[in-house]
Amino acid sequence: DAKTTQPNSMESNEEEPVHLPCNHSTISGTDYIHWYRQLPSQGPEYVIHGLTSNVNNRMASLAIAEDRKSSTLILHRATLRDAAVYYCILKQRQGAQKLVFGQGTRLTINP
Amino acid sequence: DGGITQSPKYLFRKEGQNVTLSCEQNLNHDAMYWYRQDPGQGLRLIYYSQIVNDFQKGDIAEGYSVSREKKESFPLTVTSAQKNPTAFYLCASSIQSLETQYFGPGTRLLVL
Repeated sequence: DAKTTQPNSMESNEEEPVHLPCNHSTISGTDYIHWYRQLPSQGPEYVIHGLTSNVNNRMASLAIAEDRKSSTLILHRATLRDAAVYYCILKQRQGAQKLVFGQGTRLTINP
Repeated sequence: DGGITQSPKYLFRKEGQNVTLSCEQNLNHDAMYWYRQDPGQGLRLIYYSQIVNDFQKGDIAEGYSVSREKKESFPLTVTSAQKNPTAFYLCASSIQSLETQYFGPGTRLLVL
């Protein structure tokens, strides 16, 4: 399984943008980049995913480097409810059936 | 409302006892998954099923068993062979085995 590297923790202020980085230098051409987040004592929640182009949805934006060796999850205006552990996961479009979770980034939002 | 339900929320197991965790989904999803999460760690895959009456071992299947007799249900049994069962157990499903996974609220298993 291709590996991702994320900072252990990050801190931001409410109503400010947050940029969560992820390195995946061994990504293959068929790997999609998925982001999930997990609030305390809850199951993970899908946030966004992409392959090559930047992606936007109602929760966040995903910026993917041109060489695909890194990506950034962008929360445009953080709220206290965005405090969670964010996981960056590589998932093969074909064949792989599992999500390989690392330790993720624990995001703290200050009021 | 459509979703994934897990029960119970908390479960206590005595030494040498088998316990079964329930997972039900009404999303009409084909694939279902069981993960285990230890404190401060990411999730690890125990078992998954792509279709009824078929399932595959994940990375940490030893001491666990599953069944998939119905599309909606994927119960996990933690057997006495699992020597360190205390963890947070999460069930997930996806519309196809390759797509986004949707997670249930989890069951926290504690050993007495």
